[in-house]
Formats: sequence, C-alpha cells, structure tokens
Amino acid sequence: QVQLQESGPGLVKPSQTLSLTCTVSGGSISSGDYYWSWIRQPPGKGLEWIGSINSIGSTYYNPSLKSRPTISVDTSKIQFSLKLISVTAADTAVYYCARSYCTGGSCYSGVMGYWGQGTLVTVSS
Amino acid sequence: DIQMTQSPSTLSASVGDRVTITCRASQSISNWLAWYQQKPGKAPKLLIYKASSLESGVPSRFSGSGSGTEFTLTISSLQPDDFETYYCQQYNSYPLTFGGGTKVEIK
Repeated sequence: QVQLQESGPGLVKPSQTLSLTCTVSGGSISSGDYYWSWIRQPPGKGLEWIGSINSIGSTYYNPSLKSRPTISVDTSKIQFSLKLISVTAADTAVYYCARSYCTGGSCYSGVMGYWGQGTLVTVSS
Repeated sequence: DIQMTQSPSTLSASVGDRVTITCRASQSISNWLAWYQQKPGKAPKLLIYKASSLESGVPSRFSGSGSGTEFTLTISSLQPDDFETYYCQQYNSYPLTFGGGTKVEIK
C-alpha cells in the first residue's frame, strides 16, 4: 500500500522560499504512469491544485501561482519536492502531496488516489 | 480555467436521509470528474472517479452521475460517518480545479 508523508518547515518568512518534501513508501516513484502532485488548503477554505510531475519529469503547474512553484523528483530518495518562491501570508495553508489513481490497468493522472496527511505551513515574520 | 461550482455549500440532513450534491462545470468535461470526502484535520479521500465509478472499499450508498457540465453525488441513506465535507474535482484539463465544497451537517 502506497503511503506518502510530507515534511518541511512549518514557518516561513514572507518573501522567502517554501520547501517541502514528500517521501513515498510502498511503491516506486519512477515507474509506471503515476503523477505526483501537490495540493494546498488554506485554513477553513477549499482545495487548490498547485502542480504535478510525472514519471518522466514532465511538470504541470497552476498558472494562478504565477510561475512561483517548482516540483521535482529525487528517484534515489523516493521523494518529490515542492519549492514555492516569494511567499506571502496568502500562501499559509495545509500542503498535501498526492499520487494519481490507477485501477484495472488504467491510470487517471488527474485523480488523487493517495494522499499524505498534510503539513501546515504558516507564512509570517 | 474550468470553474467548478458546487451546491449547496451546506446541507442539513438526518441519518437515513437521501442527499444529493450538485457540481457544475463552466464547460464540458465529459465524465472526467472525481468526488472526495474530507474529515476535519484529515486529507481528502477519493470516493468516485470518472463521474460514476466507485473507488474500491467505498460503501455502495455513495453514487455519482452526470456528464458534460452537470454532475451529482448521491448518498442513498446518510450514515453518522457521512457528516463531512465533499469536494468535486475536474481532471479534463489543466489546471485541475476543485469545487468549493459541500458540508453535510446534522439537522
């Protein structure tokens, strides 16, 4: 059973870079048709997709974040990461990592089948 | 971007009730729609994909329907464990977008 776990600083200063890592266990990060994603949820609000990366390194980002995020994969560590530059208080949220859903030989790149537990990142001086 | 609009935002119901949540897309997304359930302080959990396909292990009282721009999530007989928040999400095109959520609360 695939498990994901986010890690990183819980407090980031405004204008700095938010860096989070998602460690994957119970499965390979480099094989298959999997997509690895980051989603966030501001306190008391809804879900926002940040971006995704696939097993060959192609990336897709939410244009609303104006080229601030970068998602990368470290296959040797079975991890993928999120960097979000120039953060403001509006970036305060619970950040989730997720893997796409595959069943019966079909994979759905945009469906989040497995989620980490989430990590709260607060942007404040 | 495809906008996803859920209604209602809050729904008050009793155990045993049949409830329906609606999700509308700003343009056609075929059947590329997923539904998630979220408990407070927890990550969302996938319930339904491809508009009407039930994720393994999800109780059969949950069902999804629709295509194009209008979709519904129905809980046939509400159980105590179902009083949570539900989100729809389109995966027809990037950026992936979620509806605003529907909180199902006890009447």
